[in-house]
Amino acid sequence: GQSLEQPSEVTAVEGAIVQINCTYQTSGFYGLSWYQQHDGGAPTFLSYNALDGLEETGRFSSFLSRSDSYGYLLLQELQMKDSASYFCAVRDESNFNKFYFGSGTKLNVKP
Amino acid sequence: DADVTQTPRNRITKTGKRIMLECSQTKGHDRMYWYRQDPGLGLRLIYYSFDVKDINKGEISDGYSVSRQAQAKFSLSLESAIPNQTALYFCATSGNRGGEQFFGPGTRLTVL
Repeated sequence: GQSLEQPSEVTAVEGAIVQINCTYQTSGFYGLSWYQQHDGGAPTFLSYNALDGLEETGRFSSFLSRSDSYGYLLLQELQMKDSASYFCAVRDESNFNKFYFGSGTKLNVKP
Repeated sequence: DADVTQTPRNRITKTGKRIMLECSQTKGHDRMYWYRQDPGLGLRLIYYSFDVKDINKGEISDGYSVSRQAQAKFSLSLESAIPNQTALYFCATSGNRGGEQFFGPGTRLTVL
């Protein structure tokens, strides 16, 4: 099975850098994804790490270490609009059709 | 136009009623999914489908059924709705590689 754990809530100040961690216990997966969800909205895809290391997309970066069963999403130059929930997810290696999601981290950005 | 659409967007119903939520996609993806989200929780998989002839149960399929009418259409039914099925329901699709899923706007269902 798959189990992904994230902190429930993180608070940071506008302009700062914040890291949202995701630790997992899995029986194998293809890669780690991150999604953003604003209140009342749909999850939207942010990034995907198929391999260990850092992936950068603008102000957002994502990191994966399979040996440590750990990944994170790094948000730089925080803006108020970044206030949202962030979910990590994996695509199951034993069943390519299945995805598993963490319970999400609510990011509060304060002025 | 949105790639993944869901109807209705909001629905209030009574206990015991049969409800159908519909999902359509223009992504051309074979894989379609139904998820449920409760406040403060992540997404839990109800059913998923690889193609029209392939239907699979997810983690929480009890009380739900699905129909894959075409590659582009995947509907979710609650045969006899109960209050603890009050939640936000998302339809999603995925392609053949990578880790990306594409989500519809969601249906907010309230069962009284």
